[in-house]
Amino acid sequence: ELKVEQNPLFLSMQEGKNYTIYCNYSTTSDRLYWYRQDPGKSLESLFVLLSNGAVKQEGRLMASLDTKARLSTLHITAAVHDLSATYFCAPPCTSGTYKYIFGTGTRLKVLA
Amino acid sequence: EADIYQTPRYLVIGTGKKITLECSQTMGHDKMYWYQQDPGMELHLIHYSYGVNSTEKGDLSSESTVSRIRTEHFPLTLESARPSHTSQYLCASSAHGSYEQYFGPGTRLTVT
Repeated sequence: ELKVEQNPLFLSMQEGKNYTIYCNYSTTSDRLYWYRQDPGKSLESLFVLLSNGAVKQEGRLMASLDTKARLSTLHITAAVHDLSATYFCAPPCTSGTYKYIFGTGTRLKVLA
Repeated sequence: EADIYQTPRYLVIGTGKKITLECSQTMGHDKMYWYQQDPGMELHLIHYSYGVNSTEKGDLSSESTVSRIRTEHFPLTLESARPSHTSQYLCASSAHGSYEQYFGPGTRLTVT
């Protein structure tokens, strides 16, 4: 069974702190996506990681991909309240397909 | 800027009614997807299409049906709505050769 597990599922952190969200997956995919979802809203694409060792950074967020370990991380640096949202990782179901399986999501709350 | 639209945004309907959720995109994307998402939970793929007259069921079994008669349009139909269909339905599309998905705003369906 294809699985994508994120941890933690819930994260409450103070502004200014650093933290990492982990995404473990069982597919054989060589790429992975990260999305952000605000409460009651749709999904917004954050990062596209297209190969082993890929690292992308946008503002206070940095994502990386290790396809050998089937692990992706989303690192938050000096969190601010505006980053409060739910973050999903999504690898394709199998390498070369355009179907995705979404992770369980990590609900992040940054406290002022 | 991705242009993908869903109507209605909110729908409250009685059990047994037939409903159609609309999804349109103006980007000429060949791939389109329907996801179901319960509040605070992960997304589950229920239908996808790689082009006109091509539709497949996703990983989550669904009583809904879809059609793809035109590239830009991917409606989802429930012949007889039930309370178990209460959920948020998200439509997404992706360009030819691309893995990146653009999401619509979603339809929040409540069946009473």
